Amino acid sequence: DSGVTQTPKHLITATGQRVTLRCSPRSGDLSVYWYQQSLDQGLQFLIQYYNGEERAKGNILERFSAQQFPDLHSELNLSSLELGDSALYFCASSVVTRPANYGYTFGSGTRLTVV
Amino acid sequence: SQQGEEDPQALSIQEGENATMNCSYKTSINNLQWYRQNSGRGLVHLILIRSNEREKHSGRLRVTLDTSKKSSSLLITASRAADTASYFCATEETSGSRLTFGEGTQLTVNP
Repeated sequence: DSGVTQTPKHLITATGQRVTLRCSPRSGDLSVYWYQQSLDQGLQFLIQYYNGEERAKGNILERFSAQQFPDLHSELNLSSLELGDSALYFCASSVVTRPANYGYTFGSGTRLTVV
Repeated sequence: SQQGEEDPQALSIQEGENATMNCSYKTSINNLQWYRQNSGRGLVHLILIRSNEREKHSGRLRVTLDTSKKSSSLLITASRAADTASYFCATEETSGSRLTFGEGTQLTVNP
C-alpha cells in the first residue's frame, strides 16, 4: 500500500456519461497530480493541485475537470465520455509543490472502460 | 507529448544477468527519475538523479545521467524474476513542476 488511495478501482460506463474518480493523497502530501495512461498515448499529465489550488495543467480535455478539497483529497470529473477515454487514471502525491529531489507516490489507479 | 524516449521498448533476459535501459529527453531538466510499474498497477518510484549529478546507486540499481547528451541509463544488476515490470524514466523540466514520462521499457526476467 503506497498510502495514496484511489476509488473506484474499476469503472465501466457508457458513452456520454459522467464519472468521478477520487484520490486521497498520502498523509502529509499537499500536491496531487492526475495522469492518464493509455496504450496509444502512454502516461499523460492531466493536472496538478497544491493545497487546494490548481498549479499546472497538461493535456486535460475541456470535458474533464478536477478539484482538491480542504481535506486535500481530489476528484477528477470526466464528462461526455467517449470510447477513447478508456484508460487507467492515476493519482500521485508529493509533499511539495515541485517534485525536485522527491519522487511521486502513485495510487493503484482507476481503470475506466467506456462502452 | 512524451519528453523521454526509452530504448529498448522491450528487453528479455535470464535471471542473474544485468539489464540496461536507456532514456533520452529533449529539454533542460532539474532532475530525472525512474519508476517501475507492474502490469496494470501503480508506478513505484525507484531513484532520482539531479541534473548536477552524473551517477547514483541504490541497491542493485545504478543510474547515470549525461546532460550534454540529454540521456540517462538505468542498470539493474543480478536481475531476478521479480524485476519483471515496465520501467519508465520521467523528467522534471526546469520550466515546470510536473513530471513528464517516457514510453517505458518492458523488462522480462526469465527464471
